[in-house]
Amino acid sequence: GAGVSQSPSNKVTEKGKDVELRCDPISGHTALYWYRQSLGQGLEFLIYFQGNSAPDKSGLPSDRFSAERTGGSVSTLTIQRTQQEDSAVYLCASSSQTSRVETQYFGPGTRLLVL
Amino acid sequence: AQKITQTQPGMFVQEKEAVTLDCTYDTSDPSYGLFWYKQPSSGEMIFLIYQGSYDQQNATEGRYSLNFQKARKSANLVISASQLGDSAMYFCAMREVEMDSSYKLIFGSGTRLLVRP
Repeated sequence: GAGVSQSPSNKVTEKGKDVELRCDPISGHTALYWYRQSLGQGLEFLIYFQGNSAPDKSGLPSDRFSAERTGGSVSTLTIQRTQQEDSAVYLCASSSQTSRVETQYFGPGTRLLVL
Repeated sequence: AQKITQTQPGMFVQEKEAVTLDCTYDTSDPSYGLFWYKQPSSGEMIFLIYQGSYDQQNATEGRYSLNFQKARKSANLVISASQLGDSAMYFCAMREVEMDSSYKLIFGSGTRLLVRP
């Protein structure tokens, strides 16, 4: 079956503009995660969705970052008034969370460059 | 304090030899899971292997095995018979099950492995 997909794959924007990043999880996966990977670094958790609700937003770095999920499926991460330090790869992952042995499957990521 | 520590920023291994990538972790959660992911230059994160804190045996998946030493809080990845295609970044990650209901993954900083022909 299809894996996690993300769009766009690359995004170049100017400082101060808003951007939207999209994630399409694996069909039937109720849990969805957003992570950020800065150049040469490990992944940093941003937000977790269970269905359409976000019980854990603790990783969002500022109020310029927001995310929503609709229909228990597609999620959009929005960054308002982008800054150069927002440049990173944004990765989405999904899992079914039906057992403790839960593997998160990752999408290919969106590479964001803020000029 | 770092929850996941990978002390080897870069490693070399000769093709067909085995290599061990180190990972230590820190948690007070009695129930946790440990994961290894591979990230090739293309950028996707590929799940390799999982070890649960209550698992009695070390996990194995093909050429990958996890050397789990609970008392030392280490979960080293062993790749046997290295292949050129194993050249990539490798990330160790942990999920705390009882203390974190979001099951989010905490990642280490990664180890870049280069397999020499």
